[in-house]
Amino acid sequence: AQSVTQLGSHVSVSEGALVLLRCNYSSSVPPYLFWYVQYPNQGLQLLLKYTSAATLVKGINGFEAEFKKSETSFHLTKPSAHMSDAAEYFCAVSDTGGGNKLTFGTGTQLKVEL
Amino acid sequence: NAGVTQTPKFQVLKTGQSMTLQCAQDMNHEYMSWYRQDPGMGLRLIHYSVGAGITDQGEVPNGYNVSRSTTEDFPLRLLSAAPSQTSVYFCASRRDMGMNTEAFFGQGTRLTVV
Repeated sequence: AQSVTQLGSHVSVSEGALVLLRCNYSSSVPPYLFWYVQYPNQGLQLLLKYTSAATLVKGINGFEAEFKKSETSFHLTKPSAHMSDAAEYFCAVSDTGGGNKLTFGTGTQLKVEL
Repeated sequence: NAGVTQTPKFQVLKTGQSMTLQCAQDMNHEYMSWYRQDPGMGLRLIHYSVGAGITDQGEVPNGYNVSRSTTEDFPLRLLSAAPSQTSVYFCASRRDMGMNTEAFFGQGTRLTVV
């Protein structure tokens, strides 16, 4: 079964600084990977997804992620953090082990400071 | 566009009580699922359905029942609530079972069992 690991349960950056949220996957087959964002007291919404068409994936709100097979990583980045980016971010993988279920990482809480 | 609608938003139950969390989607999606979100554990899959009349267990199914009599609705039943079921519950739908098909989430139901 596929799985994802998110390193760092809490990340704090200054407004205007680079955002880097880490996600590593474990998969014996080419993975389908997703990043979701959850704002306080809301459901999750899709930021971007990797589907093997391109290794650099651009998403909403200025976020992008790069798929690196050699590092089994799919890290999420944004060049310049904004206060409105403060949220929890989840990496997920489509699990081929029956039903193509989405399996989520444990999440990274992003704090943006002035 | 309603998307995925969950009711209620908040609920307090006493140990041993039963209740049903409602989930409805208006996107004609085949695939629906229930997750629970607990601090530090990400989202864990409870049950899922690949179409009307078809359901299957996820990672943490014990204490929960589901049924899918229509494409639109996927209720989650707690048979005899326990404090360990205190959590935030999310319903999600996907257009189909494709590996690269993203999930759309409801706003969540915050359940407290006392």
